[in-house]
Amino acid sequence: DSGVTQTPKHLITATGQRVTLRCSPRSGDLSVYWYQQSLDQGLQFLIQYYNGEERAKGNILERFSAQQFPDLHSELNLSSLELGDSALYFCASSVVGTGDDEQFFGPGTRLTVL
Amino acid sequence: AQTVTQSQPEMSVQEAETVTLSCTYDTSESDYYLFWYKQPPSRQMILVIRQEAYKQQNATENRFSVNFQKAAKSFSLKISDSQLGDAAMYFCAYGGGSSNTGKLIFGQGTTLQVKP
Repeated sequence: DSGVTQTPKHLITATGQRVTLRCSPRSGDLSVYWYQQSLDQGLQFLIQYYNGEERAKGNILERFSAQQFPDLHSELNLSSLELGDSALYFCASSVVGTGDDEQFFGPGTRLTVL
Repeated sequence: AQTVTQSQPEMSVQEAETVTLSCTYDTSESDYYLFWYKQPPSRQMILVIRQEAYKQQNATENRFSVNFQKAAKSFSLKISDSQLGDAAMYFCAYGGGSSNTGKLIFGQGTTLQVKP
């Protein structure tokens, strides 16, 4: 158990819908990351937050948005869902969010878009 | 932009033997970090080993060691005395650089099978 929690574990929804994935970082970690793992694209970095502020952005679609709240939990919002958005979405956390900082991954949320 | 390439989609090793997984990367940065992550069937991502680019000495963690060749931009993972529990997908990842964010760039992964 990494100490990072993600809810829900599984999500099945239809095209065009909107979903919210939630992540709680390890106690004491200020930085949160979101990654997408799909068969087509592999494991891709989406976005990073540090203490509520966006720190780095990757290949995140405009239909996706994220934020980190004052209690440091984070949410990833996916809207106008398409079949290709079906993937495993990981949240990770680390203490200070720099390149040498070890990231601890949550168990992931499996999103299926039908 | 940085890229990470793992050219071996699948590898297999006999239990107790040694196996090496390959990884190459491309970057114009001089300061960065390289990682190997393990993803067992449970899908949990687990950090196996980390290498700082400024360190010449290769990192080791118990049965896991790396061969870091900075000039060749190569970062291979050696697993000694392979165990059944080592069966997993292994990802090579690049992080750090001048922006020094935590963004990780992953390779495509190598699935390791361990035969009893």
